[in-house]
Amino acid sequence: EVQLVESGGGLVQPGGSLRLSCEPSGLTISSHWMSWVRQSPGKGLEWVANIKEDGSEKYYADSVKGRFTISRDNAKNSLYLQMNSLRAEDTAVYYCGRDIFGGNDIWGQGTMVTVSS
Amino acid sequence: DVVMTQSPLSLPVTPGQPASISCRSSQSLVHSDGNTYLTWFQQRPGQSPRRLIYKVSNRDSGVPDRFSGSGSGTYFTLKINRVEAEDVGVYYCMQGTHWPKTFGQGTKVEIK
Repeated sequence: EVQLVESGGGLVQPGGSLRLSCEPSGLTISSHWMSWVRQSPGKGLEWVANIKEDGSEKYYADSVKGRFTISRDNAKNSLYLQMNSLRAEDTAVYYCGRDIFGGNDIWGQGTMVTVSS
Repeated sequence: DVVMTQSPLSLPVTPGQPASISCRSSQSLVHSDGNTYLTWFQQRPGQSPRRLIYKVSNRDSGVPDRFSGSGSGTYFTLKINRVEAEDVGVYYCMQGTHWPKTFGQGTKVEIK
């Protein structure tokens, strides 16, 4: 079964940092665009970032630009999201996904990030 | 940024009856490569989102054929031919043509 598994979420103070990981099983991500999407509690979906197959192109939502960095290690078959200068409004479930034809066809189960003092 | 506007935001439906959700974009979603990257997702309660439709009208593998997508340019529609109890959840449209990608607000489908 093809799946994506996110990890690295947790409770962090405002201004702190976290690094999320996304590890696939039954899937090699090296030939695919990958993305992060988040969902604040009780709210809708918000696209966060995308990265091209070889990491040469990265795109970010304005709300995270300059604070978050998407990266990948194709040798380790893994995707990451480095989140710095975290704010309360970054509290959300973060999903990684394989982006094909403009949208994620495979989603992880999500990892919860809570920014609170 | 491209604004995606869905309507209605709440949709009570009777099982066996059809349902329709519209999604309007603030600018054309036709990409320079000729494709229109309009996607529909379903999110059942307590679950991760699931892609139903990509590039306006292409159904993903395993998606029942009662779901269909249509539209062009700036106006798109998701139709459920005969609603079933398992279709309860929130439906989102999303445009992937322009950076940043943007989602609609979501339409909550519930059974009457």
